[in-house]
Amino acid sequence: GAGVSQSPRYKVAKRGQDVALRCDPISGHVSLFWYQQALGQGPEFLTYFQNEAQLDKSGLPSDRFFAERPEGSVSTLKIQRTQQEDSAVYLCASSPGNTGELFFGEGSRLTVL
Amino acid sequence: EDQVTQSPEALRLQEGESSSLNCSYTVSGLRGLFWYRQDPGKGPEFLFTLYSAGEEKEKERLKATLTKKESFLHITAPKPEDSATYLCAVTGAQKLVFGQGTRLTINP
Repeated sequence: GAGVSQSPRYKVAKRGQDVALRCDPISGHVSLFWYQQALGQGPEFLTYFQNEAQLDKSGLPSDRFFAERPEGSVSTLKIQRTQQEDSAVYLCASSPGNTGELFFGEGSRLTVL
Repeated sequence: EDQVTQSPEALRLQEGESSSLNCSYTVSGLRGLFWYRQDPGKGPEFLFTLYSAGEEKEKERLKATLTKKESFLHITAPKPEDSATYLCAVTGAQKLVFGQGTRLTINP
């Protein structure tokens, strides 16, 4: 595809459910980032991959959050035992290198009831 | 810890009324300062990268400038289609650290 694709676009989960959010980056992009954006706030860093290696996961808020990119392309962000405070838009971005020019997807909006 | 503060939080202008958005930052070893535009329900879209104090970049009605402590996004004679949230971000390592954004509304 031409851009970063994220699915699902919208997810409603009951508290305690597990969710998985998928990101399909631009083909050939080495770097992949996950950000969390609360309503009215800027994106907050979660984790960063270079190819299949997770080089920085310092932004993951708890051990309920887990991300993987096993083949250096598609990435999945998994949230276990969801809580209401997990409600946010989860943005994925990719980059061909280390330029800081990130290409964002449209995000996955998670609502935890 | 890298920090970015943007002001004002929201700004409402009349079409054609020029203004500036501010981004103040602290970062250990600035590798770049970035401006992004975000429309409702969309991901941020890259606008500019600035690398050193004194640098300026322009795109249509937008001009970004950089000093050692802050950056400005100047909007000249804005149009309603310029309405969006403008995000500033810095990087000292690999990740971008974003500010909370300025929500800009241009009334016709």
